[in-house]
Amino acid sequence: DTGVSQNPRHKITKRGQNVTFRCDPISEHNRLYWYRQTLGQGPEFLTYFQNEAQLEKSRLLSDRFSAERPKGSFSTLEIQRTEQGDSAMYLCASSQSNSNQPQHFGDGTRLSIL
Amino acid sequence: QKEVEQNSGPLSVPEGAIASLNCTYSDRVSQSFFWYRQYSGKSPELIMSIYSNGDKEDGRFTAQLNKASQYVSLLIRDSQPSDSATYLCAVLSGGSNYKLTFGKGTLLTVNP
Repeated sequence: DTGVSQNPRHKITKRGQNVTFRCDPISEHNRLYWYRQTLGQGPEFLTYFQNEAQLEKSRLLSDRFSAERPKGSFSTLEIQRTEQGDSAMYLCASSQSNSNQPQHFGDGTRLSIL
Repeated sequence: QKEVEQNSGPLSVPEGAIASLNCTYSDRVSQSFFWYRQYSGKSPELIMSIYSNGDKEDGRFTAQLNKASQYVSLLIRDSQPSDSATYLCAVLSGGSNYKLTFGKGTLLTVNP
């Protein structure tokens, strides 16, 4: 079991650029989640996939954000026209599809906007 | 707005002591509760889950849940310097079985 894998680990970009992050969940996990964490705060829910279907998007996910999970395996999170306020740790988690199963997090992608 | 509240700390205990971390939540229909440990600059790591009222023990860790009081706690016995981290309480929101709501975390420092 290789755990949840995210890349890149760090991304530094200029304001206005587009960025894309990738998440590879634990292989037998059908559910995949994206969270965002800023300094001194707990992670905040962004969106959730059951297999390839995106079942909920938080109001935190503005129209500049888009997430996909095209084949129900890995997922990508894209941020267009990045802003200073997008600087955060972006965390991916996965879990089995049975109710109440704990979510296991990847190492995250730290995004810094210059 | 469903909320999860934790004392931000820092909580400082001597090595070998019991560390007690507390969490309250607002959503009465929540059914699943988790404690995550997060080292500085790292991602959250699951250490305990609890679903029923009462105590659940795993090694040096004991989670306690009281749904009537909407309260969940984590006890760490024989605290070690390696336990120094931020501990995040997370609640699976009532009405969904996928969205975790996190507290801001409690910073624990174990002094040698």
